Amino acid sequence: GQQVMQIPQYQHVQEGEDFTTYCNSSTTLSNIQWYKQRPGGHPVFLIQLVKSGEVKKQKRLTFQFGEAKKNSSLHITATQTTDVGTYFCAGSGLTGGGNKLTFGTGTQLKVEL
Amino acid sequence: KAGVTQTPRYLIKTRGQQVTLSCSPISGHRSVSWYQQTPGQGLQFLFEYFSETQRNKGNFPGRFSGRQFSNSRSEMNVSTLELGDSALYLCASSPGGGALSYNEQFFGPGTRLTVL
Repeated sequence: GQQVMQIPQYQHVQEGEDFTTYCNSSTTLSNIQWYKQRPGGHPVFLIQLVKSGEVKKQKRLTFQFGEAKKNSSLHITATQTTDVGTYFCAGSGLTGGGNKLTFGTGTQLKVEL
Repeated sequence: KAGVTQTPRYLIKTRGQQVTLSCSPISGHRSVSWYQQTPGQGLQFLFEYFSETQRNKGNFPGRFSGRQFSNSRSEMNVSTLELGDSALYLCASSPGGGALSYNEQFFGPGTRLTVL
Protein backbone atom coordinates (compact mmCIF):
# COMPACT_ATOMS: atom_id res chain seq x y z
CA GLY A 1 0.00 0.00 0.00
CA GLN A 2 0.88 3.64 -0.21
CA GLN A 3 3.45 4.84 2.33
CA VAL A 4 4.45 8.39 3.13
CA MET A 5 7.65 9.06 5.05
CA GLN A 6 8.83 12.31 6.52
CA ILE A 7 12.26 13.44 7.61
CA PRO A 8 13.49 14.45 10.03
CA GLN A 9 11.39 12.90 12.77
CA TYR A 10 12.42 15.65 15.21
CA GLN A 11 13.97 19.08 14.76
CA HIS A 12 15.15 21.36 17.53
CA VAL A 13 15.99 24.92 16.45
CA GLN A 14 16.79 28.27 17.97
CA GLU A 15 14.21 30.97 17.35
CA GLY A 16 15.08 32.75 14.12
CA GLU A 17 16.61 29.71 12.43
CA ASP A 18 15.05 28.14 9.37
CA PHE A 19 13.34 24.74 9.34
CA THR A 20 12.55 22.28 6.57
CA THR A 21 10.65 19.00 6.60
CA TYR A 22 10.61 16.61 3.67
CA CYS A 23 7.87 14.25 2.64
CA ASN A 24 8.33 11.24 0.33
CA SER A 25 5.65 8.96 -1.04
CA SER A 26 6.15 5.43 -2.32
CA THR A 27 3.62 6.13 -5.09
CA THR A 28 2.62 9.09 -7.25
CA LEU A 29 0.14 11.35 -5.54
CA SER A 30 -2.87 13.15 -6.88
CA ASN A 31 -2.41 15.96 -4.39
CA ILE A 32 -0.73 16.62 -1.08
CA GLN A 33 -1.94 18.47 1.97
CA TRP A 34 -0.02 19.78 4.96
CA TYR A 35 -1.28 19.92 8.53
CA LYS A 36 0.06 21.26 11.81
CA GLN A 37 -0.74 19.70 15.16
CA ARG A 38 0.10 21.62 18.31
CA PRO A 39 0.92 19.62 21.46
CA GLY A 40 -2.35 18.31 22.90
CA GLY A 41 -4.28 19.55 19.90
CA HIS A 42 -5.69 18.22 16.67
CA PRO A 43 -4.34 18.56 13.12
CA VAL A 44 -5.11 21.87 11.45
CA PHE A 45 -5.06 22.23 7.67
CA LEU A 46 -2.33 24.47 6.27
CA ILE A 47 -2.40 24.06 2.49
CA GLN A 48 -3.10 21.77 -0.47
CA LEU A 49 -0.84 21.34 -3.51
CA VAL A 50 -2.17 19.75 -6.68
CA LYS A 51 0.07 20.58 -9.64
CA SER A 52 3.46 19.09 -10.44
CA GLY A 53 6.22 21.49 -9.36
CA GLU A 54 3.77 23.75 -7.54
CA VAL A 55 5.12 26.23 -5.00
CA LYS A 56 2.91 28.10 -2.56
CA LYS A 57 3.79 30.60 0.14
CA GLN A 58 2.02 31.58 3.32
CA LYS A 59 3.94 34.35 5.05
CA ARG A 60 7.06 32.59 6.39
CA LEU A 61 5.99 29.14 5.14
CA THR A 62 6.90 27.83 1.67
CA PHE A 63 5.42 24.60 0.35
CA GLN A 64 6.66 22.69 -2.69
CA PHE A 65 5.28 19.71 -4.62
CA GLY A 66 7.82 17.73 -6.57
CA GLU A 67 7.85 17.42 -10.35
CA ALA A 68 7.08 13.71 -10.14
CA LYS A 69 4.36 14.33 -7.54
CA LYS A 70 6.01 11.89 -5.16
CA ASN A 71 7.63 14.32 -2.77
CA SER A 72 6.97 17.60 -1.05
CA SER A 73 8.60 19.97 1.38
CA LEU A 74 7.65 22.62 3.90
CA HIS A 75 10.16 25.34 4.71
CA ILE A 76 9.73 27.82 7.54
CA THR A 77 11.87 30.93 7.47
CA ALA A 78 12.95 32.53 10.74
CA THR A 79 11.08 30.21 13.10
CA GLN A 80 9.10 31.58 16.01
CA THR A 81 7.94 29.90 19.22
CA THR A 82 4.43 29.84 17.75
CA ASP A 83 5.71 27.40 15.09
CA VAL A 84 6.10 24.65 17.69
CA GLY A 85 4.17 21.50 16.82
CA THR A 86 4.18 18.47 14.59
CA TYR A 87 3.91 18.98 10.85
CA PHE A 88 2.29 16.28 8.77
CA CYS A 89 2.02 15.86 5.05
CA ALA A 90 -0.92 13.83 3.78
CA GLY A 91 -1.33 12.50 0.29
CA SER A 92 -4.16 11.21 -1.84
CA GLY A 93 -3.51 8.44 -4.34
CA LEU A 94 -4.27 8.60 -8.04
CA THR A 95 -7.08 6.07 -7.95
CA GLY A 96 -10.40 6.40 -6.27
CA GLY A 97 -11.91 9.62 -5.06
CA GLY A 98 -13.07 11.38 -2.00
CA ASN A 99 -10.92 11.87 1.05
CA LYS A 100 -8.58 8.95 1.67
CA LEU A 101 -5.48 10.59 3.03
CA THR A 102 -2.29 8.76 3.86
CA PHE A 103 -0.54 10.79 6.50
CA GLY A 104 3.20 11.05 6.74
CA THR A 105 5.07 10.11 9.88
CA GLY A 106 5.31 13.75 10.94
CA THR A 107 8.14 16.06 11.94
CA GLN A 108 8.07 17.40 15.47
CA LEU A 109 9.46 20.94 15.65
CA LYS A 110 10.70 22.49 18.89
CA VAL A 111 11.77 26.12 18.96
CA GLU A 112 13.95 27.52 21.72
CA LEU A 113 14.37 31.18 22.62
CA LYS B 1 -19.85 28.17 12.29
CA ALA B 2 -19.33 25.66 15.02
CA GLY B 3 -16.41 23.30 14.52
CA VAL B 4 -16.35 19.52 14.48
CA THR B 5 -17.45 18.07 17.79
CA GLN B 6 -16.70 14.63 19.15
CA THR B 7 -18.16 12.83 22.13
CA PRO B 8 -17.09 11.60 24.50
CA ARG B 9 -13.71 13.28 24.86
CA TYR B 10 -12.30 10.57 27.10
CA LEU B 11 -13.24 6.95 27.54
CA ILE B 12 -11.88 4.04 29.54
CA LYS B 13 -12.91 0.52 28.61
CA THR B 14 -11.69 -2.99 29.33
CA ARG B 15 -10.61 -5.65 26.88
CA GLY B 16 -13.47 -7.41 25.16
CA GLN B 17 -15.92 -4.55 25.52
CA GLN B 18 -17.25 -2.51 22.66
CA VAL B 19 -17.36 1.24 22.25
CA THR B 20 -19.23 3.79 20.13
CA LEU B 21 -17.78 7.20 19.36
CA SER B 22 -19.76 10.08 17.92
CA CYS B 23 -18.86 12.91 15.57
CA SER B 24 -20.87 15.94 14.49
CA PRO B 25 -19.39 17.60 11.40
CA ILE B 26 -19.38 21.26 10.51
CA SER B 27 -22.81 22.31 9.28
CA GLY B 28 -23.09 21.69 5.55
CA HIS B 29 -20.22 19.22 5.40
CA ARG B 30 -21.23 15.88 3.94
CA SER B 31 -17.98 13.94 4.24
CA VAL B 32 -16.81 12.53 7.55
CA SER B 33 -13.56 10.64 7.94
CA TRP B 34 -12.18 8.80 10.94
CA TYR B 35 -8.53 8.45 11.89
CA GLN B 36 -6.66 6.61 14.62
CA GLN B 37 -3.62 8.34 16.10
CA THR B 38 -1.04 6.48 18.19
CA PRO B 39 2.57 7.32 19.05
CA GLY B 40 3.79 4.19 17.30
CA GLN B 41 1.69 4.14 14.12
CA GLY B 42 0.95 7.84 13.69
CA LEU B 43 -2.23 8.99 11.98
CA GLN B 44 -3.99 6.16 10.18
CA PHE B 45 -7.10 6.43 8.04
CA LEU B 46 -10.01 4.26 9.16
CA PHE B 47 -12.85 5.13 6.80
CA GLU B 48 -14.76 7.93 5.13
CA TYR B 49 -18.51 8.37 4.84
CA PHE B 50 -20.25 10.58 2.34
CA SER B 51 -24.01 10.91 2.06
CA GLU B 52 -24.53 7.94 4.40
CA THR B 53 -22.32 5.64 2.29
CA GLN B 54 -18.84 4.40 3.05
CA ARG B 55 -16.75 5.95 0.27
CA ASN B 56 -13.28 4.88 1.35
CA LYS B 57 -11.85 2.34 3.75
CA GLY B 58 -8.47 1.92 5.40
CA ASN B 59 -6.71 -1.27 6.43
CA PHE B 60 -8.32 -1.96 9.76
CA PRO B 61 -9.99 -5.21 10.87
CA GLY B 62 -13.73 -5.67 10.71
CA ARG B 63 -14.00 -4.90 14.42
CA PHE B 64 -13.88 -1.27 13.36
CA SER B 65 -17.08 -0.09 11.73
CA GLY B 66 -18.90 3.13 11.17
CA ARG B 67 -22.01 4.71 9.86
CA GLN B 68 -23.36 8.08 8.87
CA PHE B 69 -26.81 9.45 9.42
CA SER B 70 -28.92 11.62 7.15
CA ASN B 71 -27.83 14.75 9.05
CA SER B 72 -24.17 13.80 8.31
CA ARG B 73 -23.43 12.96 11.93
CA SER B 74 -21.28 9.86 12.15
CA GLU B 75 -20.51 7.14 14.63
CA MET B 76 -17.74 4.63 14.75
CA ASN B 77 -17.87 1.40 16.67
CA VAL B 78 -15.09 -0.83 17.86
CA SER B 79 -16.10 -4.27 19.05
CA THR B 80 -14.11 -6.73 21.15
CA LEU B 81 -11.63 -4.10 22.28
CA GLU B 82 -7.93 -4.97 22.45
CA LEU B 83 -5.18 -3.22 24.38
CA GLY B 84 -3.73 -2.00 21.09
CA ASP B 85 -6.90 -0.07 20.34
CA SER B 86 -5.89 2.54 22.91
CA ALA B 87 -5.50 5.69 20.85
CA LEU B 88 -6.79 9.12 20.01
CA TYR B 89 -9.65 8.76 17.54
CA LEU B 90 -10.05 11.78 15.35
CA CYS B 91 -12.98 12.68 13.20
CA ALA B 92 -12.63 15.09 10.31
CA SER B 93 -15.26 16.66 8.11
CA SER B 94 -15.07 18.30 4.73
CA PRO B 95 -17.59 19.64 2.24
CA GLY B 96 -17.27 16.42 0.26
CA GLY B 97 -18.18 17.45 -3.23
CA GLY B 98 -18.00 15.11 -6.18
CA ALA B 99 -16.37 11.73 -6.41
CA LEU B 100 -13.00 13.15 -7.47
CA SER B 101 -12.84 16.10 -5.11
CA TYR B 102 -10.16 16.34 -2.52
CA ASN B 103 -10.98 18.64 0.33
CA GLU B 104 -9.21 20.00 3.34
CA GLN B 105 -10.08 18.13 6.47
CA PHE B 106 -11.44 19.95 9.51
CA PHE B 107 -10.55 17.87 12.52
CA GLY B 108 -12.40 17.56 15.79
CA PRO B 109 -10.65 17.48 19.19
CA GLY B 110 -10.70 13.68 19.25
CA THR B 111 -11.79 10.99 21.67
CA ARG B 112 -9.03 9.56 23.85
CA LEU B 113 -9.77 5.85 24.29
CA THR B 114 -7.90 3.84 26.89
CA VAL B 115 -8.34 0.07 26.93
CA LEU B 116 -7.35 -1.67 30.15
